[in-house]
Parts: sequence; structure tokens; C-alpha cells
Amino acid sequence: AQSVSQHNHHVILSEAASLELGCNYSYGGTVNLFWYVQYPGQHLQLLLKYFSGDPLVKGIKGFEAEFIKSKFSFNLRKPSVQWSDTAEYFCAVTFRSNDYKLSFGAGTTVTVRA
Amino acid sequence: NAGVTQTPKFQVLKTGQSMTLQCAQDMNHEYMSWYRQDPGMGLRLIHYSVGAGITDQGEVPNGYNVSRSTTEDFPLRLLSAAPSQTSVYFCASSYSDPTDTQYFGPGTRLTVL
Repeated sequence: AQSVSQHNHHVILSEAASLELGCNYSYGGTVNLFWYVQYPGQHLQLLLKYFSGDPLVKGIKGFEAEFIKSKFSFNLRKPSVQWSDTAEYFCAVTFRSNDYKLSFGAGTTVTVRA
Repeated sequence: NAGVTQTPKFQVLKTGQSMTLQCAQDMNHEYMSWYRQDPGMGLRLIHYSVGAGITDQGEVPNGYNVSRSTTEDFPLRLLSAAPSQTSVYFCASSYSDPTDTQYFGPGTRLTVL
């Protein structure tokens, strides 16, 4: 079965630090890649997505992600975090081999200290 | 637009009881889905629907039923609640398929004693 792995369970940072969250997925043919975020008390929402083209994708709130096909990875980055980036971040993938049903990673809780 | 709404927000059940979690969207989306979120496991797909009258099983369908009689509503029924169903349940909708941006509801926190 296809799977999505997020390397870090909980990341604690200070404001202005750089953030990188890892995401790897198992082979499943054609994939579409997503990062969703859940801020405290808010609904899950889309940060960014990648379908094809430029492997460096820019999303909302200064986030970007890089698709590296050879490594089956889609890591999320932000050069300088703010306290308001405290949230839970989920990597998600649709696999053609799974009829494009959305599979989520376990999530990474990011705490930014002021 | 209200987006995706879910009721109730919290629920406590006893083992063996049944209940229905409600989900509604006002965006005229065709694709709707239910997920459960458990610590360390992310969100897992329970059931999904690609349009009114069409439903299918996801990754963890056992113990749950769904129906889709209208485009707007997609209720999730727990037939006989078990402690293993203690979880947070999210409903989501998107324009036509799972590769579209998913819009999530606020979630229902369910505890089964």
C-alpha cells in the first residue's frame, strides 16, 4: 500500500529561524503532492500543491516546497518563521495507483517561540 | 458561504450506541469525504463520495456507513460504537475529485466509553 512519511513529530523553533519539514512517499506511479496546515482553533487548509512543472512550488504565507522525484520527497520550507506559524503541518499525496485517493502523513507539530 | 459545517463538535457515546455525524457544504462540490485523525497516524480516509448517490470505501471503513442523497449533505453513521472509534472526525469537500483543494470542516471530537 502507498504510504506517506513525515520525519519529525514535533519541531520547536525560535522566531526568525528557518524551517524545513521532511516528507517522503512510497512509489505509486503518478502522484500529486500537497501540504495542509491546521492552525490552533482553525480548519485544515491548503498551504501549497504540486502537480507538474517547476519542482519548486510557492504557497501562501511565505512557504515553499521542493519536489525531488528521485528521492520521492516533497519537503516544506520557510526561511524565517513567525510565532503565527505555530501549527500542525500535514503532507498529503494522491497516487494514481490508488485511484488518486488522498493519503496523509502523520503530521508535524511546529511550535515557534517568541 | 458557510463552507463545510459539521455537527456536533463534541460527542460522548457508550459502547454499542449508534449515532450520525452530520456534514454539509454550500459550495456545490461534487467530492466529499470523511477522515478520522488519531495521534501519530495523521488523517485516514473512511468513506468518500464523488457525487449524489455514489459512495465508496476508503482506507478504514469498518464500523461506519455513509449515504449521499443530496449534493450538500454527507452524513457518517456509526452503527455500534466501539472504544477504537474514539477519534477526531473531519469532513471535507472539493470541486470534483481528491486532487482538487480540499475544504475541511471544524471536526467532531468523539469519545466512546
